[in-house]
Amino acid sequence: EAGVVQSPRYKIIEKKQPVAFWCNPISGHNTLYWYLQNLGQGPELLIRYENEEAVDDSQLPKDRFSAERLKGVDSTLKIQPAELGDSAVYLCASSLGVSEHSGNEQFFGPGTRLTVL
Amino acid sequence: GIQVEQSPPDLILQEGANSTLRCNFSDSVNNLQWFHQNPWGQLINLFYIPSGTKQNGRLSATTVATERYSLLYISSSQTTDSGVYFCSGGFKTIFGAGTRLFVKA
Repeated sequence: EAGVVQSPRYKIIEKKQPVAFWCNPISGHNTLYWYLQNLGQGPELLIRYENEEAVDDSQLPKDRFSAERLKGVDSTLKIQPAELGDSAVYLCASSLGVSEHSGNEQFFGPGTRLTVL
Repeated sequence: GIQVEQSPPDLILQEGANSTLRCNFSDSVNNLQWFHQNPWGQLINLFYIPSGTKQNGRLSATTVATERYSLLYISSSQTTDSGVYFCSGGFKTIFGAGTRLFVKA
């Protein structure tokens, strides 16, 4: 069974440019998560989807970040315009999402390492 | 929100030694996980352990949900165990700052 797929693996852009990251979760997983991980820290949740619905986007900086999961499968995270401080690893994870009490084990993709110059 | 505290922050072991990593939560969680982040940055699932004890080879974990902590045991450590160990949990999936482990040959 394929794991969570992310692309690109690395991205280098100039500040003020737009950038997009793509994630394909494990087949059958209803819940999808986007995280940001700064160097030397643990991942921080940006947004969580249950199927197509963003059920928690409270930590997504909405002035420049946006995300979508149109058909409830793969998802795109976009930054426009990028700032120097956005340099980080962007991680995608998925889980079955059966209920509040089961199916919540998360599986992570390899991440996209973003460098903003 | 929930606070997650991991200890120790850094750990250096001689190959073959045993160790215990701890994760404390400020409130109860029902989805506690342990991960190993390898040097390439991949988060590898170790245990999904909201409560009780689980074992997988040289690794085992125990979560005492009523006291809001979890322990990860590594026995007979190997150099490939090096990396960062994270615990996470809660509705907003809060991660601890991690324990950085280096196992010397």
